[in-house]
Amino acid sequence: NAGVTQTPKFRILKIGQSMTLQCTQDMNHNYMYWYRQDPGMGLKLIYYSVGAGITDKGEVPNGYNVSRSTTEDFPLRLELAAPSQTSVYFCASSLKTSYKAQETQYFGPGTRLLVL
Amino acid sequence: AQTVTQSQPEMSVQEAETVTLSCTYDTSESDYYLFWYKQPPSRQMILVIRQEAYKQQNATENRFSVNFQKAAKSFSLKISDSQLGDAAMYFCAYRRTNDMRFGAGTRLTVKP
Repeated sequence: NAGVTQTPKFRILKIGQSMTLQCTQDMNHNYMYWYRQDPGMGLKLIYYSVGAGITDKGEVPNGYNVSRSTTEDFPLRLELAAPSQTSVYFCASSLKTSYKAQETQYFGPGTRLLVL
Repeated sequence: AQTVTQSQPEMSVQEAETVTLSCTYDTSESDYYLFWYKQPPSRQMILVIRQEAYKQQNATENRFSVNFQKAAKSFSLKISDSQLGDAAMYFCAYRRTNDMRFGAGTRLTVKP
């Protein structure tokens, strides 16, 4: 299993450009997450998905969109890039078997995004 | 909103010695989970240890153990017999249902 893979590893965007960060997992996990990590800070949850077709906002969703058309893929879309979105983005997935279960999240290697 | 505080931006330990990383959190909930994650220079997030709030017994994983004080809302990580490979950023995290909150991290240096 490759686990959680993210592409690209690094990207430079100009202000106002758009892009999609890709995330794929091959562990048949139902839950997937997007986090951002600003310099010197911990991760903050942007969006999450509990299964194909279902997404919900996390702590910092503004400026982002997500979709979950398949179990494996959970892309994150930036429509109008702003300097405040310069960050490292992590995708994670987990297998949650019940509502109250606190399963382990498996993280991808991250995508470093620089908006100039 | 729940917050997680790590008051030590940096810590240093001699190889083979023991170090304790601090974490406090704020919540009004009684049912939640706590985690310590390690982030080496590769930036991969690696789960070190987890603790269920309803369990009184402190979690242990080999050289890693926690001191969970629920009333004080404290969750410290003890690393015994420190190794060079333990050098990394360590993040404390709180989770209830789908809401996961991370602290700002502690950078651990291990001196040979």
